[in-house]
Amino acid sequence: NAGVTQTPKFRILKIGQSMTLQCTQDMNHNYMYWYRQDPGMGLKLIYYSVGAGITDKGEVPNGYNVSRSTTEDFPLRLELAAPSQTSVYFCASSYDGQYFVEQFFGPGTRLTVL
Amino acid sequence: GENVEQHPSTLSVQEGDSAVIKCTYSDSASNYFPWYKQELGKGPQLIIDIRSNVGEKKDQRIAVTLNKTAKHFSLHITETQPEDSAVYFCAATLYSSASKIIFGSGTRLSIRP
Repeated sequence: NAGVTQTPKFRILKIGQSMTLQCTQDMNHNYMYWYRQDPGMGLKLIYYSVGAGITDKGEVPNGYNVSRSTTEDFPLRLELAAPSQTSVYFCASSYDGQYFVEQFFGPGTRLTVL
Repeated sequence: GENVEQHPSTLSVQEGDSAVIKCTYSDSASNYFPWYKQELGKGPQLIIDIRSNVGEKKDQRIAVTLNKTAKHFSLHITETQPEDSAVYFCAATLYSSASKIIFGSGTRLSIRP
């Protein structure tokens, strides 16, 4: 199993541009998550999904959108990129999120908005 | 809501010595406390966890302690090795609500040879 994969690994955007961060997991996990990690800070939850077709906001959802059309994929969309969205983005998945079990993280996408 | 504070932000220890990282949480309802290790260029990985009905848990050179009264929990690494160099995150959550996990700000641990 590849686990959780994310693309791209690095990206530089100009203010106002849009992009989609891709996340795929091959563990048949129901729960998937998007976090952002700012320098010197912990991870903050952006959005999560409990299964295909179901998504919900986390702690910092503004400026982002998600969709979950399949169990495997959970893309994160940035519309009108702003410098405040410069961060490292991590996707994660878990088999069952209702009763906490281990979250498996992808390698991250480092995004810079200039 | 829950708030997790983690100290120190950086820690340097001699190889073979012990390292201790401390966290405090604010929500007394939190009952699950995982610790994650993040190596350079990788995503965080769960290394140990503890639930509120347990005061201490060990796994080889790693141990975690929990003081529910004081709302403190700590990670202890003994006989540190170079491969222990990484960023460590504590977290707190309700066991029944995985989407509400709150992370500490991280501790960068460096092991000096």
